[in-house]
Amino acid sequence: AQSVTQLDSQVPVFEEAPVELRCNYSSSVSVYLFWYVQYPNQGLQLLLKYLSGSTLVKGINGFEAEFNKSQTSFHLRKPSVHISDTAEYFCAVCRGGATNKLIFGTGTLLAVQP
Amino acid sequence: EPEVTQTPSHQVTQMGQEVILRCVPISNHLYFYWYRQILGQKVEFLVSFYNNEISEKSEIFDDQFSVERPDGSNFTLKIRSTKLEDSAMYFCASSRTSGDNEQFFGPGTRLTVL
Repeated sequence: AQSVTQLDSQVPVFEEAPVELRCNYSSSVSVYLFWYVQYPNQGLQLLLKYLSGSTLVKGINGFEAEFNKSQTSFHLRKPSVHISDTAEYFCAVCRGGATNKLIFGTGTLLAVQP
Repeated sequence: EPEVTQTPSHQVTQMGQEVILRCVPISNHLYFYWYRQILGQKVEFLVSFYNNEISEKSEIFDDQFSVERPDGSNFTLKIRSTKLEDSAMYFCASSRTSGDNEQFFGPGTRLTVL
């Protein structure tokens, strides 16, 4: 079975500062990895995904994430955040193949302060 | 840009009543999903649907739940006899293919069971 851990429930950061949101996963098989963002009162929007190939993936809104197989991590980073980045961020894994359900972490609230 | 829509945005019901949550997936998508998010908790997979049948379901998706694609455009989730613990945000999602393909999420229906 797969699982996802997001240790930080909330990350406060000042505007224009860099940020890293941590995600670790557990799986005995290869998985696909995703980061979704949820703005207040909205659905989940895909930020980026890792399927294979280059371990550094770039997504929308200036976010990027690095897949580290040895550390089973997929941390999300942004070099300079904006107020508008304030949202809940969810890391998720999918085993693919016959099963395509997403397994989510508990989410991290990114709170950007002026 | 095509999007997944859900109605209603908020549903209030009495315990024991039946509810139907409706979703219109993106038109050329073939895989459909329901997830739920109890307040303050992680997003959880309920069921996936492909080729007019359930392809996978979680242990949450018991006999009280059912899904249907009645007319080729709508995708519904029915809860036969609601319980207090069914109160949650329910998200519909769709994808063009399985596994590595992005799942597009609707804005959710907030279900409140009194």
